[in-house]
Amino acid sequence: AQSVTQPDIHITVSEGASLELRCNYSYGATPYLFWYVQSPGQGLQLLLKYFSGDTLVQGIKGFEAEFKRSQSSFNLRKPSVHWSDAAEYFCAVGTGFQKLVFGTGTRLLVSP
Amino acid sequence: EAQVTQNPRYLITVTGKKLTVTCSQNMNHEYMSWYRQDPGLGLRQIYYSMNVEVTDKGDVPEGYKVSRKEKRNFPLILESPSPNQTSLYFCASRPQGQGSNQPQHFGDGTRLSIL
Repeated sequence: AQSVTQPDIHITVSEGASLELRCNYSYGATPYLFWYVQSPGQGLQLLLKYFSGDTLVQGIKGFEAEFKRSQSSFNLRKPSVHWSDAAEYFCAVGTGFQKLVFGTGTRLLVSP
Repeated sequence: EAQVTQNPRYLITVTGKKLTVTCSQNMNHEYMSWYRQDPGLGLRQIYYSMNVEVTDKGDVPEGYKVSRKEKRNFPLILESPSPNQTSLYFCASRPQGQGSNQPQHFGDGTRLSIL
């Protein structure tokens, strides 16, 4: 069965420092991959998505993610974190069965 | 503005008292879905609907019902709520046309507390 693992429950990054959030998936076919962000009291907002083609995808708010098939990973990166990036981040895989399977989320804290 | 609207946003109720959480989208999306979010578990799908009168179970359907009589609406019904259904609920929608590669649009969530 498909699954998504986000190994880091919490991450703290200094403002201005770089960020990488890890995501590993398990799925037998080519996955559709997404990163969503959830700010407190808000729904989920799509940051970026990967379907095919270029394995480095650009998203909103300066985020990017790289799909690595050999490692079954889709890590999210940002070169310089802003205090407003503090939120919870979810990786998700879309399957051919009309489902979207989410990871358990990584909460990002940004220190001054 | 394209949006998914859930009501209520917050609800505290008691065990066994039937409740309905409404969800409406204005994007003419065929696919709609309900999720619950619990700490440490991420989002888990409760039910989904690929079009009017077409619904199916997700991963955690027990204790929930849904209906899809109109394209824009997808209410979640808890006929006899229990404390283990205390959670944060999200409704989402997307176009059906190209399947699960379409990103979903999420509502702002409904926080339910069942006492």
